[in-house]
Amino acid sequence: GENVEQHPSTLSVQEGDSAVIKCTYSDSASNYFPWYKQELGKRPQLIIDIRSNVGEKKDQRIAVTLNKTAKHFSLHITETQPEDSAVYFCAASIMYSGGGADGLTFGKGTHLIIQP
Amino acid sequence: GAGVSQSPRYKVTKRGQDVALRCDPISGHVSLYWYRQALGQGPEFLTYFNYEAQQDKSGLPNDRFSAERPEGSISTLTIQRTEQRDSAMYRCASSPRGNTIYFGEGSWLTVV
Repeated sequence: GENVEQHPSTLSVQEGDSAVIKCTYSDSASNYFPWYKQELGKRPQLIIDIRSNVGEKKDQRIAVTLNKTAKHFSLHITETQPEDSAVYFCAASIMYSGGGADGLTFGKGTHLIIQP
Repeated sequence: GAGVSQSPRYKVTKRGQDVALRCDPISGHVSLYWYRQALGQGPEFLTYFNYEAQQDKSGLPNDRFSAERPEGSISTLTIQRTEQRDSAMYRCASSPRGNTIYFGEGSWLTVV
């Protein structure tokens, strides 16, 4: 089955600086890579996702890059703000062309701390 | 409802008892997923359904765990003869058809 490794487990950055979180996956069949943000006591919420037919996707201060050959993908957050403090999870799964997707395999999470 | 609804939100049960956790997905969502999340860990996939058909149950830890979605809407995750190691947050999620997955608030299970 799929195995997703995520690093670092904790990341502390100064407000305004950039944060980068990296994940690797093992199953070359995986083609869908979402990132979830989970605040303390709340449910995981999707912040951005990427499919294997593109190498990069950007949404305002958040971007994700994917290297299919190396089987790794990264989340980039620029101009970090205090409200970015949370646990971030990467995940991988197979999404089928006819619709439907297998269950997500998640990384262990990165606790992002934004220092004021 | 507006989101994925789960009940009960909190359940304390004695070891050896059976528990049933309910998930009401977003209306019209085809896919329904069950995950388990331990404190400080990422969600761990358990099983999922498309409509009423269980597509993958490879993540269920053992045969004490089962799930059903008989009419393709509400789903129940049942844990028989609960053990302390079953204590965790159980999260349900739904998806229109392999698109964005929306998580519910979860059911906290504590086995004493």
